[in-house]
Amino acid sequence: DADVTQTPRNRITKTGKRIMLECSQTKGHDRMYWYRQDPGLGLRLIYYSFDVKDINKGEISDGYSVSRQAQAKFSLSLESAIPNQTALYFCATSGRNTEAFFGQGTRLTVV
Amino acid sequence: RKEVEQDPGPFNVPEGATVAFNCTYSNSASQSFFWYRQDCRKEPKLLMSVYSSGNEDGRFTAQLNRASQYISLLIRDSKLSDSATYLCVVNGGAGNMLTFGGGTRLMVKP
Repeated sequence: DADVTQTPRNRITKTGKRIMLECSQTKGHDRMYWYRQDPGLGLRLIYYSFDVKDINKGEISDGYSVSRQAQAKFSLSLESAIPNQTALYFCATSGRNTEAFFGQGTRLTVV
Repeated sequence: RKEVEQDPGPFNVPEGATVAFNCTYSNSASQSFFWYRQDCRKEPKLLMSVYSSGNEDGRFTAQLNRASQYISLLIRDSKLSDSATYLCVVNGGAGNMLTFGGGTRLMVKP
């Protein structure tokens, strides 16, 4: 089994719809992250969490929300999807000073 | 100034060439350092950790210079399969968290 699992892997949704991307990890790390990547660009941090009761905004949090349901689970929601949120989304987990482990990504298309 | 900076490239090199990438970081309190490889539309994967003493894994060598706050990656005898984007990653910096550079794109040509 993968260390970090994202669901769904691909999703097409309509403008205005609410969508949730889910992430679970088996590494036992406290820290979890959501990133967005647009074609030809680097990773941009949306939200991150250092433990179950901790939620922090990243550089591009507008239009997104998150929930840390458990140490192993961190979900990302788009309350009202818009076309410019079409992107590749990655979830990751790390320890305090360890490397990060990534999920395989979710390709989201908003039409 | 970005916390972690890389030359975006692309670096276009012939097979067999040696290529080096540098990465600078701004927070001197950073604790751990890594190089990741990312193929197009795939997740980043750990290539190697970077230690002050330097480390080598086959054709890849990574170095850390804490005094000058930069990290390097050297690839010898480049293969076509080395074509990818290489990400410099720092952990324990500002906010004591993980920070990615923008990536350096490498294209190895026949």
